[in-house]
Amino acid sequence: AQSVAQPEDQVNVAEGNPLTVKCTYSVSGNPYLFWYVQYPNRGLQFLLKYITGDNLVKGSYGFEAEFNKSQTSFHLKKPSALVSDSALYFCAVKAPGTDKLIFGTGTRLQVFP
Amino acid sequence: GAVVSQHPSRVICKSGTSVKIECRSLDFQATTMFWYRQFPKQSLMLMATSNEGSKATYEQGVEKDKFLINHASLTLSTLTVTSAHPEDSSFYICSAGGAGGVQETQYFGPGTRLLVL
Repeated sequence: AQSVAQPEDQVNVAEGNPLTVKCTYSVSGNPYLFWYVQYPNRGLQFLLKYITGDNLVKGSYGFEAEFNKSQTSFHLKKPSALVSDSALYFCAVKAPGTDKLIFGTGTRLQVFP
Repeated sequence: GAVVSQHPSRVICKSGTSVKIECRSLDFQATTMFWYRQFPKQSLMLMATSNEGSKATYEQGVEKDKFLINHASLTLSTLTVTSAHPEDSSFYICSAGGAGGVQETQYFGPGTRLLVL
């Protein structure tokens, strides 16, 4: 069965420091991987996705993610965090041949001034 | 990016009444729309997948007679919570995908918070 794990419930980082939000997945075949961000009482905003090609994917608001097939990971990164990046981040995966997104449990990012 | 709207953003209703939530893709045609439910501090739970012009496909454990989904056009899907009860109170979010197949990105609406008294 397909699954996504976000091992950290919360990540705290100081403004200006690099941030990493971890995601690992389990699917049969080649996965399609997504990151979304959710601000309080709002829907999800698309950040980036990996379908194929270059393992380093660049997305919105300066975020990027690296697909690592051997480690089955797709960690979200940003070189310099902003206080406004504080939100709930979801990793999601689609298994080949399906439209359904399987979401991780979410990681709350808190960036301190 | 593509824009998806939901209406209403917030609704309070009495137990036993029905509530309709609309999901619209504003600048693209959505062949597939998805309805999710999110409990406080939890992840999204897929309720059903709807394709334009056909019956929705419900996830296991979701009552299709209680959560009626209609996808009558390529830009509009509706979710009706029938005979709502307090346990139906939740944050309902829709998403829409275009015709790009499984590589297509799902774009999400802003969500509807339902409170059943």
